[in-house]
Amino acid sequence: AQKVTQAQTEISVVEKEDVTLDCVYETRDTTYYLFWYKQPPSGELVFLIRRNSFDEQNEISGRYSWNFQKSTSSFNFTITASQVVDSAVYFCALKVGAWRGGNKLVFGAGTILRVKS
Amino acid sequence: NAGVTQTPKFRVLKTGQSMTLLCAQDMNHEYMYWYRQDPGMGLRLIHYSVGEGTTAKGEVPDGYNVSRLKKQNFLLGLESAAPSQTSVYFCASSYPSGPAETQYFGPGTRLLVL
Repeated sequence: AQKVTQAQTEISVVEKEDVTLDCVYETRDTTYYLFWYKQPPSGELVFLIRRNSFDEQNEISGRYSWNFQKSTSSFNFTITASQVVDSAVYFCALKVGAWRGGNKLVFGAGTILRVKS
Repeated sequence: NAGVTQTPKFRVLKTGQSMTLLCAQDMNHEYMYWYRQDPGMGLRLIHYSVGEGTTAKGEVPDGYNVSRLKKQNFLLGLESAAPSQTSVYFCASSYPSGPAETQYFGPGTRLLVL
């Protein structure tokens, strides 16, 4: 079975601090994809990033960076110099298996990030 | 290009009432999904569709029905609402671009069942 664990229920930081959101996944499949979504207070889910199981290169996009480590089954998300606009719920999600119609996403419970000014 | 839209945004039902949630996408996506979001549980898949006229059960399908009569629309029905169905419902769609398929979500529908 597939599972995603986001152990941090809620994190509070002061603006300009760096913050890392943890994501640990479980799967026996060798082919899988990992995702991060952001849910701001307005409620919609915004796609942030997708990584496949064969590419362990870390990725940086502006103040966002992602660290994928298969050895620890983790796909952590770091925000550098956090801003109030980063306040949101962040979800990590997993999709397994070779491509077929309707591959299902398994979501973690989410981490609430509060950035205070 | 509106992306994925959901109607209504908020609804209050009494136990036993029925209602239909509408999801529409203008991206010509083949796949569509309905999720529910509950506190501390992330999103869970209710039903999904891999094409017009087809539907399949997800993780938590009981108490819900769906229909995909048109490619751009995916309807979620509650025949007899129960308080346990109080939740935020999200629709998503994706294009069959291969293993890297990414789902794009609508803004959500908040449902309260009294």
